[in-house]
Amino acid sequence: QSALTQPPSASGSPGQSVTISCTGTSSDVGGYKYVSWYQQYPGKAPKLLIYEVTERPSGVPDRFSASKSGNTASLTVSGLQVEDEADYYCSSYAGTNFVVFGGGTKLTVL
Amino acid sequence: EVQVMDSGGGSVQPGGSLRLSCTASGFTFSAYGFNWVRQAPGKGLEWISYISSAGNIIYYADSVKGRFSISRDNAKNTLYLQMNSLRPEDTAVYYCARPRGYSYGFDYWGQGTLVTVSS
Repeated sequence: QSALTQPPSASGSPGQSVTISCTGTSSDVGGYKYVSWYQQYPGKAPKLLIYEVTERPSGVPDRFSASKSGNTASLTVSGLQVEDEADYYCSSYAGTNFVVFGGGTKLTVL
Repeated sequence: EVQVMDSGGGSVQPGGSLRLSCTASGFTFSAYGFNWVRQAPGKGLEWISYISSAGNIIYYADSVKGRFSISRDNAKNTLYLQMNSLRPEDTAVYYCARPRGYSYGFDYWGQGTLVTVSS
């Protein structure tokens, strides 16, 4: 199973917005409405930020938003805060391969 | 409160075996499918296995197919991962993860248990 493609790093200053992309194929991201995004701090388990492309679980700030166009999904973090510095992963349902993750993006808040 | 706890990790030689457990509480365990996801040191997340709520539907990633076996005991609220023929590349933190409904997004994760395969 091939991982979804994410940029290895992204950065922004406090208060700015940053967008992280996640590119797959028509067999995963483009073929289903089941894209998820996770935030992970070092040494901690991932936390679900977004599910079903755009939905936020309760408790996730609305500064986190997401979308999808074709085979590429995107996560936008608005009003960057210092505590947003973490690793971010996308995932998608992938049919017979079940679930595939992206390689991860390290977000640095400058 | 929903709680999910992984256990059973440790150090093992190549070719060896290990069984991981994941104990859940605070929700109806038998109503949810469950997954195992791993993360090699300094690397990204890799989904490796899924089992349905009743245990009758199972999927594996190609990287572990034929070597790992997922199972569950709904009476004990426990998920298992039997890992055989372990390889150095199986070294990782292993997480059990519960999906949020039918979304394929995982909303509750164990704390992770480290498996080290080395001679």
